[in-house]
Amino acid sequence: DAKTTQPPSMDCAEGRAANLPCNHSTISGNEYVYWYRQIHSQGPQYIIHGLKNNETNEMASLIITEDRKSSTLILPHATLRDTAVYYCIVRVKYNNNDMRFGAGTRLTVKP
Amino acid sequence: DSGVTQTPKHLITATGQRVTLRCSPRSGDLSVYWYQQSLDQGLQFLIQYYNGEERAKGNILERFSAQQFPDLHSELNLSSLELGDSALYFCASSVGGRASTDTQYFGPGTRLTVL
Repeated sequence: DAKTTQPPSMDCAEGRAANLPCNHSTISGNEYVYWYRQIHSQGPQYIIHGLKNNETNEMASLIITEDRKSSTLILPHATLRDTAVYYCIVRVKYNNNDMRFGAGTRLTVKP
Repeated sequence: DSGVTQTPKHLITATGQRVTLRCSPRSGDLSVYWYQQSLDQGLQFLIQYYNGEERAKGNILERFSAQQFPDLHSELNLSSLELGDSALYFCASSVGGRASTDTQYFGPGTRLTVL
């Protein structure tokens, strides 16, 4: 699976949009981009995933560049409860047994 | 709430002992995954079971073993425990197989402390 690169930490003001970048320059055509987050020591929480089209759900939006070498997770109106470590993972959709969690981005939402 | 349950929440034991962690997947999920998260290693995939059979192994030590039962719950057995085995252990489940959407959903974890 492709390696991802994320900034180690980011801050965001409460109520503003949080934009979390992820670079995956070696992504293959059959690899999806997945985002999870982990709040403190809780179990990782699935957020969203996509292949090449932009995706939106009730939690977030995922913007994938046309060349698929990078993506951005957008939390439209960050709240204090969104403070967490966010992980960007790329993997072949059916190869579920090797989800490689990197160090992620620690997002701190400030009042 | 992901629908994945894990017991116990906390476990404190001594070096050399053996413990069993239990996981119940979401209703309808056939695949179960085990992960270890320690302070210096991050989240590490250990092993996967699909419908009772081992599907894949990751960084799982020989002292560790797992199984998935006919009712699809899974147990992770850790033996000859060492101080370095202290960690959070997460279970995840997914539909499994060639499902069109095969997202993993994680349980709340078991915190193991080896003294």
